[in-house]
Amino acid sequence: GAVVSQHPSRVICKSGTSVKIECRSLDFQATTMFWYRQFPKQSLMLMATSNEGSKATYEQGVEKDKFLINHASLTLSTLTVTSAHPEDSSFYICSARMGDYGYTFGSGTRLTVV
Amino acid sequence: QKEVEQDPGPLSVPEGAIVSLNCTYSNSAFQYFMWYRQYSRKGPELLMYTYSSGNKEDGRFTAQVDKSSKYISLFIRDSQPSDSATYLCAMSRGDSWGKLQFGAGTQVVVTP
Repeated sequence: GAVVSQHPSRVICKSGTSVKIECRSLDFQATTMFWYRQFPKQSLMLMATSNEGSKATYEQGVEKDKFLINHASLTLSTLTVTSAHPEDSSFYICSARMGDYGYTFGSGTRLTVV
Repeated sequence: QKEVEQDPGPLSVPEGAIVSLNCTYSNSAFQYFMWYRQYSRKGPELLMYTYSSGNKEDGRFTAQVDKSSKYISLFIRDSQPSDSATYLCAMSRGDSWGKLQFGAGTQVVVTP
């Protein structure tokens, strides 16, 4: 089936640094990629929707200057957490729609900011 | 009121029992309905995907959608300890953005 490969699976960074998370669709073209954030024992919270070749659309309350999304090709979308702080520590997951067959998710990235 | 309501559990069942999960929703515009399984510290895995009202079966899993009642269900037959996970319902309006609205997720524990 369709696979979205997400890297890294886990990252620890120092406060004030930036972290880039990559999601690649391996066997299909993802014109739209969704980025979610998930806190422990909570459901997924949509952060932004990215469309290939255009600017991402951010959900209300999500700082677009802190969470930079780039969707430069049909198979790659990236999320960069800029000037990360401990409160940005979370589980970040990307997702892509597979036409009429639902949505597939990446394996997630656990970000810890120390 | 949340658009999608799902009991967070935990739901504990003995091995071999039927697991019954459900979600209710308030937005009649939802057209696509999905169930995901999420193990701890992993991304959600798509289990079932349905479009219309009715039943859909895939192996041990059965999904039911009742649009008139705005109610969806997932049944897991012959449950196994490996089914222990959090199950998330999700739905979409099916418009061009295709954004998913998730339930809170139900934690299921299948005991040997």
